[in-house]
Amino acid sequence: EAQVTQNPRYLITVTGKKLTVTCSQNMNHEYMSWYRQDPGLGLRQIYYSMNVEVTDKGDVPEGYKVSRKEKRNFPLILESPSPNQTSLYFCASRPTGGHEQFFGPGTRLTVL
Amino acid sequence: GQSLEQPSEVTAVEGAIVQINCTYQTSGFYGLSWYQQHDGGAPTFLSYNALDGLEETGRFSSFLSRSDSYGYLLLQELQMKDSASYFCAVRSPTRWKAGTALIFGKGTTLSVSS
Repeated sequence: EAQVTQNPRYLITVTGKKLTVTCSQNMNHEYMSWYRQDPGLGLRQIYYSMNVEVTDKGDVPEGYKVSRKEKRNFPLILESPSPNQTSLYFCASRPTGGHEQFFGPGTRLTVL
Repeated sequence: GQSLEQPSEVTAVEGAIVQINCTYQTSGFYGLSWYQQHDGGAPTFLSYNALDGLEETGRFSSFLSRSDSYGYLLLQELQMKDSASYFCAVRSPTRWKAGTALIFGKGTTLSVSS
């Protein structure tokens, strides 16, 4: 089944404890991105990647890192999480030139 | 800057027709997409307009006017299951030559009652 998977789906952590949210897609898509969703603010892009080793900042990149060493994986790294990073995070992918973006199921992160 | 404006909430009854508007201001424009998101779920793609005019897909239609920087999503024969959030999103260029990014609006919550 063609899909985008994220892990974990839910995470409660404490301030300053490094964490990684994994994202993987099995559709051979070049483009991948991370969004955070907060009430009343819609989906805001954190980082995106055009292909392996090609990444760039989105609208809200502060406090996040990403890497794209393989086409299928695009992990989101929070080196020192803070409470203002409590949010619902979505990973997404699409083929270059494609119009439809496929979203993962989301990761609900709480930073205490 | 880049901005997309859409109403925050819309209510309607089953069987009715609803139009959700979206106006945008972005640096570069390739097309306008619409996504649906049910509570607790992931956004799912509904439609994409790159050219002016109306695109119809079943009960849903999407319209674009590039000269007015405006589009809308039209939902007909509303059903209870259409209660969800609807996001417009602009596909715009990035600093990478071949790259594009999706910039989302804040979403419109549609409530359909019986």
